[in-house]
Amino acid sequence: DAGVTQSPTHLIKTRGQQVTLRCSPKSGHDTVSWYQQALGQGPQFIFQYYEEEERQRGNFPDRFSGHQFPNYSSELNVNALLLGDSALYLCASSLEHTYNSPLHFGNGTRLTVT
Amino acid sequence: DQQVKQNSPSLSVQEGRISILNCDYTNSMFDYFLWYKKYPAEGPTFLISISSIKDKNEDGRFTVFLNKSAKHLSLHIVPSQPGDSAVYFCAASEGPAGYNQGGKLIFGQGTELSVKP
Repeated sequence: DAGVTQSPTHLIKTRGQQVTLRCSPKSGHDTVSWYQQALGQGPQFIFQYYEEEERQRGNFPDRFSGHQFPNYSSELNVNALLLGDSALYLCASSLEHTYNSPLHFGNGTRLTVT
Repeated sequence: DQQVKQNSPSLSVQEGRISILNCDYTNSMFDYFLWYKKYPAEGPTFLISISSIKDKNEDGRFTVFLNKSAKHLSLHIVPSQPGDSAVYFCAASEGPAGYNQGGKLIFGQGTELSVKP
């Protein structure tokens, strides 16, 4: 039973560049959420995708965008990178309409912006 | 505005003893609470959850207590084992996991638990 997989595991980018992170949900899951975890902090909700649409969004600027594909996988795009975007980006999946289906997290992508 | 707070950044206990991790929240709309455990270089792993209609939920060595009037929850681990050493995150949402609001979890800052043999 494949869990949530994310790629790449590590990434180094320069300020002003753009980055795309990828996520495959746990087998059978249809909903994907993205979180940003800064050093020493808890994960912060970026947005959630369901049925290929952004359903909820946290307090993140429009530089953060995403996409969900028909196979439920998802991408997170960040434009015009800032030093403050350096963080661990976590993808989580769940199954809609299933009570008590907690989020399953991937191991994350560590993004460093220099 | 920190809606979920874990005021203890770290906790150290002896193997076999009880570990108690605490969490406070401010948003009255939260009605579903979860605890996640995180090892270095891994994503958070779901441990246990509780809905606001309950005040206690137990799963093996892990018990979560919810005090709605105090907006406080705690995780008890009995007995603690060295393998329990990790960062523990408390999280809350306005709806149960698997439903519309369930994907938007608000996390605390985490408590690093160290269980010494």
